[in-house]
Amino acid sequence: AQSVTQLGSHVSVSEGALVLLRCNYSSSVPPYLFWYVQYPNQGLQLLLKYTTGATLVKGINGFEAEFKKSETSFHLTKPSAHMSDAAEYFCAVSHLRPGNTGKLIFGQGTTLQVKP
Amino acid sequence: SQTIHQWPATLVQPVGSPLSLECTVEGTSNPNLYWYRQAAGRGLQLLFYSVGIGQISSEVPQNLSASRPQDRQFILSSKKLLLSDSGFYLCAWSVPASGRSTMSEQFFGPGTRLTVL
Repeated sequence: AQSVTQLGSHVSVSEGALVLLRCNYSSSVPPYLFWYVQYPNQGLQLLLKYTTGATLVKGINGFEAEFKKSETSFHLTKPSAHMSDAAEYFCAVSHLRPGNTGKLIFGQGTTLQVKP
Repeated sequence: SQTIHQWPATLVQPVGSPLSLECTVEGTSNPNLYWYRQAAGRGLQLLFYSVGIGQISSEVPQNLSASRPQDRQFILSSKKLLLSDSGFYLCAWSVPASGRSTMSEQFFGPGTRLTVL
C-alpha cells in the first residue's frame, strides 16, 4: 500500500525567504510523485512531477523538488517566496504497475502563508 | 488542448434534496475519471473513479453515487443529501496508464462548492 505524509499542516514564511514543504511517502514499488497547488475555491494545478530519471525536478513558478529514495522524501522548495505563493500544497504518490488505474494517494495538504 | 468543465460552480441545497453534479472533459478520448471531495480543513478524499463507460468503482461507502453515461461525462448524484455531504467537489481526469511507459498526472476541474443546509 502507498501513503503520503506532509509534515506541517501550516507553514509561514516571510516574503523573499526560502520555502520548504515536506513530503514523505511509503511505497512498496517504485513511486511516481507529484506536487499540486490549490488556490482558494479553485481546482488543483500541477506544480511538478517525478516519474523516472533525474531526481531533481523543476516545476512552474520557480518551485523544485528532489526525489530521495533513501529518505523516502520528495520535499518541495523555492529559494525566494512571493506573496502569490500563498496557497495550499498537496503531495501525491502513485505507481505504474498492471492494474493501476492512475489513482493518486494525496497527503493532507500544507497551507503556505507568506508574510510581507 | 484538453479542458475539463464542472457545473454548477456553487450550489446550496436543503437536507433531503437530490443532487446532480456534472463533469465533462474535452479534447481526449477514453480518459480515466475521478470524483474527489474536500471537506473544510481536510485533504482530498477520492470518492469514485471510472476507467470506461458504465464502469464505476467506489472508494468509500457513502450517500453518493456516480455514473458515466458517455466517454467524457461523469456525474455525481445523491437521492437525499445529508449535512455531511457539504464540501468542495473536484472532478479530475488522466490518460490511462496501459500501454504507456510513464504515469500521467491528473488534471483537475474548477470544482463545485456544495452547501447543504
